[in-house]
Amino acid sequence: DSGVTQTPKHLITATGQRVTLRCSPRSGDLSVYWYQQSLDQGLQFLIQYYNGEERAKGNILERFSAQQFPDLHSELNLSSLELGDSALYFCASSVGERGPYEQYFGPGTRLTVT
Amino acid sequence: AQKVTQAQTEISVVEKEDVTLDCVYETRDTTYYLFWYKQPPSGELVFLIRRNSFDEQNEISGRYSWNFQKSTSSFNFTITASQVVDSAVYFCALSEINQAGTALIFGKGTTLSVSS
Repeated sequence: DSGVTQTPKHLITATGQRVTLRCSPRSGDLSVYWYQQSLDQGLQFLIQYYNGEERAKGNILERFSAQQFPDLHSELNLSSLELGDSALYFCASSVGERGPYEQYFGPGTRLTVT
Repeated sequence: AQKVTQAQTEISVVEKEDVTLDCVYETRDTTYYLFWYKQPPSGELVFLIRRNSFDEQNEISGRYSWNFQKSTSSFNFTITASQVVDSAVYFCALSEINQAGTALIFGKGTTLSVSS
């Protein structure tokens, strides 16, 4: 158990809908990262937050947004969902903001868009 | 651009065989960090090791060992005397650190199947 929690574990929704994925980092970790894992794209970095502020940004679609709250939990919002958004979404956390910090991953949320 | 290549898509071995998973990376940074993660069938990503670019000493942890060679931009992972529980997808990753923050760039992964 990495100490990172994600809810829900599974999510099934229809195209055009909006969903929110939730993540709680390990105790003491200030950085939260979101990654998307799909069969065709592999594991791709989406976005990083550190202590409530957006930091690094990857290939995150404009339909996707995230935030980190004062209690350090984070939410990833996916809107106008398309079939291609079906994937496993991971949250990870680390102690620091920039540097050689290991990222510890949560169990993931499997999103299925029908 | 940063890139990680895991050329082996799938490897199948029989228990007790040794197996090496290859990882080649590309970066223009002089200081960088490499990682290996394991993704068992249950789906979670498990951190295995981090290696700093300025430390080329190889590392051994039980049946696992890692060979970092800067000259060939490789960070290979060897499992000695493989076991069925080693069956998983293994990912090599490179940290991309800029003024904004940090991201992990992952390879496509190598699926290891160990049969009894």
